[in-house]
Amino acid sequence: DAGITQSPRHKVTETGTPVTLRCHQTENHRYMYWYRQDPGHGLRLIHYSYGVKDTDKGEVSDGYSVSRSKTEDFLLTLESATSSQTSVYFCAISDGRGYEQFFGPGTRLTVL
Amino acid sequence: AQSVTQLDSQVPVFEEAPVELRCNYSSSVSVYLFWYVQYPNQGLQLLLKYLSGSTLVESINGFEAEFNKSQTSFHLRKPSVHISDTAEYFCAGRLRNTPLVFGKGTRLSVIA
Repeated sequence: DAGITQSPRHKVTETGTPVTLRCHQTENHRYMYWYRQDPGHGLRLIHYSYGVKDTDKGEVSDGYSVSRSKTEDFLLTLESATSSQTSVYFCAISDGRGYEQFFGPGTRLTVL
Repeated sequence: AQSVTQLDSQVPVFEEAPVELRCNYSSSVSVYLFWYVQYPNQGLQLLLKYLSGSTLVESINGFEAEFNKSQTSFHLRKPSVHISDTAEYFCAGRLRNTPLVFGKGTRLSVIA
């Protein structure tokens, strides 16, 4: 298995609070991604990174920001969480050749 | 823009029967195609991939998929399913150096 960890694995928070999710990789891969998974929607891309400090928006980026100050870490921040952001969040990585993506175990976030 | 469509949200099938999970993609340029599997309460695992070359690709657990350019399809098949194949299956595609785009998933339920 690719060396990807996500923290926390579960979080319950209240509407309006900031939340940061962390993705950590030990593979030294260039590309990192954040997806959210919701029933009936599959996985939708939030943001991705193609290098340190290089990021771009995905399909559902509103309400989310990201940062990547080191190759191994990719942070996803919800500045002010809303109930619509209740979801399972997956981090993924891929190497410079950009073929398959490998996924982390996921973070289940509940916003009350 | 690229899109991936999974034609069935749920597929029930009896054990030892054959199954086909359908996937169509839309793209005007060459794509790379993937099938991922997600077992209950787990992350996504790569099942098989088509990058180039032979249009028939196989996984280690008996699944196969065929890339059909004329029909823009990448259907997943298995000649005889087991209870352990019960999971959600995601078709995904990407252009070179772009993030994966996922279908909405097909939930395969194998009935004893």
